[in-house]
Amino acid sequence: ILNVEQSPQSLHVQEGDSTNFTCSFPSSNFYALHWYRWETAKSPEALFVMTLNGDEKKKGRISATLNTKEGYSYLYIKGSQPEDSATYLCAFGGGSNYKLTFGKGTLLTVNP
Amino acid sequence: GEEVAQTPKHLVRGEGQKAKLYCAPIKGHSYVFWYQQVLKNEFKFLISFQNENVFDETGMPKERFSAKCLPNSPCSLEIQATKLEDSAVYFCASSPRPTNEKLFFGSGTQLSVL
Repeated sequence: ILNVEQSPQSLHVQEGDSTNFTCSFPSSNFYALHWYRWETAKSPEALFVMTLNGDEKKKGRISATLNTKEGYSYLYIKGSQPEDSATYLCAFGGGSNYKLTFGKGTLLTVNP
Repeated sequence: GEEVAQTPKHLVRGEGQKAKLYCAPIKGHSYVFWYQQVLKNEFKFLISFQNENVFDETGMPKERFSAKCLPNSPCSLEIQATKLEDSAVYFCASSPRPTNEKLFFGSGTQLSVL
């Protein structure tokens, strides 16, 4: 069983704060690390797919880094806005098959 | 289509009844994945397809769950003799390639077993 851990479980920040969360995953047999943004009752939406150690990706105020050797990825949100409130899921692609194993997510609430 | 379409949005079944869920992947996407979300935010992998062939079924409870992706038809996930613990949101996703490409998710089917 692959272990994908996300921390913290939940986070409350004020509008304008910058924040970050962590995803840890197995450091062997790595293919890819995905980040998704999910609002309840909607479809999870892909933010980033990272495949190379040291990868850094950015989309607007959101960025992510990847360390495959030590098995972690960070997601950063700069200047949080209320519309950033959502659950952020990471998913590890690896092992001998091609399925993605999801973490339990970090629930972010941005207070106006 | 440009979206993954899942039907129905909600499904209520009595314990022991059959449930069938449908998923139309994005046109041109060869891979289809089914995930079960039972506990809050825990997406559990069930099965994946490459076109109409099973790609990985290591997450499927074999006794009561089955799935198909037939040409020119929506993919389906069927649960025979549903149990209370099958209550969950079932998400379907499609992708042009496994793992290194992002998944495009449908909005899910909420199955409630009473």
